[in-house]
Amino acid sequence: AQSVTQLGSHVSVSEGALVLLRCNYSSSVPPYLFWYVQYPNQGLQLLLKYTSAATLVKGINGFEAEFKKSETSFHLTKPSAHMSDAAEYFCAVSGLKGFQKLVFGTGTRLLVSP
Amino acid sequence: DAGVIQSPRHEVTEMGQEVTLRCKPISGHDYLFWYRQTMMRGLELLIYFNNNVPIDDSGMPEDRFSAKMPNASFSTLKIQPSEPRDSAVYFCASRTTGQNNSPLHFGNGTRLTVT
Repeated sequence: AQSVTQLGSHVSVSEGALVLLRCNYSSSVPPYLFWYVQYPNQGLQLLLKYTSAATLVKGINGFEAEFKKSETSFHLTKPSAHMSDAAEYFCAVSGLKGFQKLVFGTGTRLLVSP
Repeated sequence: DAGVIQSPRHEVTEMGQEVTLRCKPISGHDYLFWYRQTMMRGLELLIYFNNNVPIDDSGMPEDRFSAKMPNASFSTLKIQPSEPRDSAVYFCASRTTGQNNSPLHFGNGTRLTVT
């Protein structure tokens, strides 16, 4: 079985500051990991995904995430926050077997202040 | 590409009424998923289809919920009778095979309020 834990339901940063959103996973098989973003009144959009290739994954809008097996983590970072990054971010995991079942974390709301 | 289309965007109904949510997946996608999002439980997978066939409905909360996919371009999620605890945002998502873990494409959701 797979699960993800997102630490912090809310993260606040100033515009231009580093963004760090934390995600730890649990998986009985090698995981596939994803970050999705949800803007108000919209569905989720894929930011980036890890599928056992390079451990540092670059996504859209300047975001990236690093897969660390020893720490069972897949934290999302962005060097400099923009106001437009304010949204809710979801980490998700699936295993090689039954990969259709994407299990989502509870989400972290990113607040960006001027 | 119009994306995944859901209707209605908002639905307000009284307890006991039947509710039908609709979804049109992206053309050519062979997997379709129904998710429910609430503050308390986050995003939950209710059911998914592959080539119009239900594969796993273990997330459907109870018999009041049913889902169908009569063809590759249309799916419904029905709640009968509806209850206040069904209030949530319901998302439909689709994806294509061809390589493992192709991303899910989500619709904008249907916000259901049951009074």
